[in-house]
Amino acid sequence: GESVGLHLPTLSVQEGDNSIINCAYSNSASDYFIWYKQESGKGPQFIIDIRSNMDKRQGQRVTVLLNKTVKHLSLQIAATQPGDSAVYFCAETLQGGKLIFGQGTELSVKP
Amino acid sequence: DARVTQTPRHKVTEMGQEVTMRCQPILGHNTVFWYRQTMMQGLELLAYFRNRAPLDDSGMPKDRFSAEMPDATLATLKIQPSEPRDSAVYFCASGLAPSYEQFFGPGTRLTVL
Repeated sequence: GESVGLHLPTLSVQEGDNSIINCAYSNSASDYFIWYKQESGKGPQFIIDIRSNMDKRQGQRVTVLLNKTVKHLSLQIAATQPGDSAVYFCAETLQGGKLIFGQGTELSVKP
Repeated sequence: DARVTQTPRHKVTEMGQEVTMRCQPILGHNTVFWYRQTMMQGLELLAYFRNRAPLDDSGMPKDRFSAEMPDATLATLKIQPSEPRDSAVYFCASGLAPSYEQFFGPGTRLTVL
């Protein structure tokens, strides 16, 4: 029979609003985390990273929060724009630099 | 500007045929990764190299997949024989250890009929 693909979690926001994308990671020994953005037909693009000795890091319009107690990451995008529409992946880094990606969240920005 | 390049961008082939995908990492990077992306499994790490030596290929089906780095400017991923379940987008990424940041190429979209 026909295989069914996974349906990614979807977040739909209005242009100008703030977006919050959440991610749970699995390995308590992971010491480095990255958020990637993937637009349709392109490879993942680095957005922001954070080390496990931090709980917050800010970039341009983006902030990553890390809660090691519950193994949770979030990506906050301020003043979301149509160009932010994409799939967002969190990734945790294991020993040796191996990245393990989450399933992704699709962000849709309504004009 | 420096970027990872991959060829071909698209490949359609028939079951049983050999497929070779190529990647040129960013000049000076010492780590190269191969990933496969499908709707069912998401992004999966197949193999990675540091200074051209394979470090981990545990994500790769050994019977039909092989990955090599003939030199520092070329990484290859070969499937022989290909099967319809290999249809996916294959990404190459490179990085400069000890940094963990990885830079992705545009991918090769493989369709095996």
